[in-house]
Amino acid sequence: DTEVTQTPKHLVMGMTNKKSLKCEQHMGHRAMYWYKQKAKKPPELMFVYSYEKLSINESVPSRFSPECPNSSLLNLHLHALQPEDSALYLCASSPGGGTLNNEQFFGPGTRLTVL
Amino acid sequence: RKEVEQDPGPFNVPEGATVAFNCTYSNSASQSFFWYRQDCRKEPKLLMSVYSSGNEDGRFTAQLNRASQYISLLIRDSKLSDSATYLCVVTPDGGYQKVTFGTGTKLQVIP
Repeated sequence: DTEVTQTPKHLVMGMTNKKSLKCEQHMGHRAMYWYKQKAKKPPELMFVYSYEKLSINESVPSRFSPECPNSSLLNLHLHALQPEDSALYLCASSPGGGTLNNEQFFGPGTRLTVL
Repeated sequence: RKEVEQDPGPFNVPEGATVAFNCTYSNSASQSFFWYRQDCRKEPKLLMSVYSSGNEDGRFTAQLNRASQYISLLIRDSKLSDSATYLCVVTPDGGYQKVTFGTGTKLQVIP
């Protein structure tokens, strides 16, 4: 299985809602990532989990809360978002373990619209 | 100066043409380099890793020039299906997970 899956594909939420994005991989990868991508821009790194521990938080607002329940799953909990948070949210995984050529494999993304 | 820079294009080339993209990076200690392609409204997909000795995969050739701090991607015999945005990715020394994406170069192959 060389796939990263993400649910839901699309999400529309109000500014007072609480929702979660989910990501799953079964490639035995030990690093997992959340990215945010706005139209016509490259992906921006948000969080990195390595061996189920948060290793990088790129100064993301606290209304985004990541969680890594186990080595295969990654969640992103959303609360009190703003319309400017509307974007494509991408999950990725890589083998991890300190190897240099750490190719990342991306899921199809969740397209989020905040009203 | 941005950490990783690319010419945004668009590059409009006829089918069968050869096209080359460059990507410059500012951190001389960068260790790992990749090219990804991203189709409109899709996720990035790994095209190839870039090794110090250069590497080739079919019509695609990637090169690394550490002295001048850039990587390149050459596409020969362009196909319509090569139309996409090409993103370079650089990983710094000591922070192999802290990847940085270039701004992307849009390629349009014209019949």
